[in-house]
Amino acid sequence: DGGITQSPKYLFRKEGQNVTLSCEQNLNHDAMYWYRQDPGQGLRLIYYSQIVNDFQKGDIAEGYSVSREKKESFPLTVTSAQKNPTAFYLCASSISPGTSGRYNEQFFGPGTRLTVL
Amino acid sequence: GENVEQHPSTLSVQEGDSAVIKCTYSDSASNYFPWYKQELGKRPQLIIDIRSNVGEKKDQRIAVTLNKTAKHFSLHITETQPEDSAVYFCAASTTGGGNKLTFGTGTQLKVEL
Repeated sequence: DGGITQSPKYLFRKEGQNVTLSCEQNLNHDAMYWYRQDPGQGLRLIYYSQIVNDFQKGDIAEGYSVSREKKESFPLTVTSAQKNPTAFYLCASSISPGTSGRYNEQFFGPGTRLTVL
Repeated sequence: GENVEQHPSTLSVQEGDSAVIKCTYSDSASNYFPWYKQELGKRPQLIIDIRSNVGEKKDQRIAVTLNKTAKHFSLHITETQPEDSAVYFCAASTTGGGNKLTFGTGTQLKVEL
């Protein structure tokens, strides 16, 4: 998991602004994921991508958007439509299912803590 | 979709005692069950996982058991140490479901001296 990075570590946003969280990995993983973590609620899946130029909604996609133009990068945009965006955001990556080895293990980045002022 | 329930939400043990955390899942197609440890402000780290073709797996002081019939799995930590204090998350996924993980709500483990 040392090969997956997120930036910035802390992010402050005014209401009504869109912000983009960065996630980069050099693990040559095909699959990437975005989770949101709130106190007492565990991790909830926002979006995931199994391959470049393709992604799917997770359980709480409303108010978020993603892109997957490069294998190494999976940025998350928190839009003004997200009503309660203050949270800890975690990005993860894994080898796609079907690849030999620990194809299910997800490696997490260090996270970005977003606060809406 | 999958639903994972985790209990207890908090657990306090004396150093040297054992700790057990239990999870249940709803989707019988789930076939992969990892456990993550998260220290305050840090990223979750995988500590052990089990696949549906085995019933138990052990790694030093940590073990996981799986009961597919009852759809529950448990984490066992023996000889607990202060550095075991953290939040532990269970999760479940299916290979055919895009490798998505559904997490439990976490257990705050505190190991007291």
